[in-house]
Amino acid sequence: QSALTQPASVSGSPGQSITISCTGTSSDVGGFNYVSWYQQHPGKAPKLMIYDVSNRPSGVSNRFSGSKSGNTASLTISGLQAEDEADYYCSSYTSSSTWVFGGGTKLTVL
Amino acid sequence: EVQLVESGGGLVKPGGSLRLSCAASGFIFTNAWMSWVRQAPGKGLEWVGRVKSKTDGGTTDYAAPVKGRFTISRDDSKNTLYLQMNSLKTEDTAVYYCTTQQFFHFDPWGQGTLVTVSS
Repeated sequence: QSALTQPASVSGSPGQSITISCTGTSSDVGGFNYVSWYQQHPGKAPKLMIYDVSNRPSGVSNRFSGSKSGNTASLTISGLQAEDEADYYCSSYTSSSTWVFGGGTKLTVL
Repeated sequence: EVQLVESGGGLVKPGGSLRLSCAASGFIFTNAWMSWVRQAPGKGLEWVGRVKSKTDGGTTDYAAPVKGRFTISRDDSKNTLYLQMNSLKTEDTAVYYCTTQQFFHFDPWGQGTLVTVSS
């Protein structure tokens, strides 16, 4: 199972919006509505930000939103803040009853 | 408060074995599906494997790179998850995270334990 494809890096200024893409295949992202997104600050454990494509856990800011079209899922962060600077990973359930992660995207807040 | 605390990491030679533990608290461990996810130094996350709750069959699934070498088990009486790693390779060097499988996503995560495979 190949890793999902994410851009290596994205950047934006405070207050702006950015979108991180996550591309898979019909055997993972495209085949199930089970895409999740995780935020990871340096030296810390990942934190769940979005699950089942577009659902936000309680406690996660509504500035974070998720969507999916075909084999590509997206995470959008609006009103960028300095504390959003982190690595972001997407994940999807697969047709092999396993899970696959994206390679990760480093978000820089300029 | 849900807590997951991994332990057992360390330095091991290629071909060696190591067993990681994950102590869970703050939730009904018996009902939980649990997963291990690893992260090589400076790299991304990689799903390692999952064990279902005993009421759901207690079965396991593994990622291809570890299948046949790693075994996930659980002791519900001790609220503890295990990862037995055999025939370790240098590419198994990573921080290993224990995480609760909430349907099709992972939440929360432990702080991780570092495994270094080197001669």
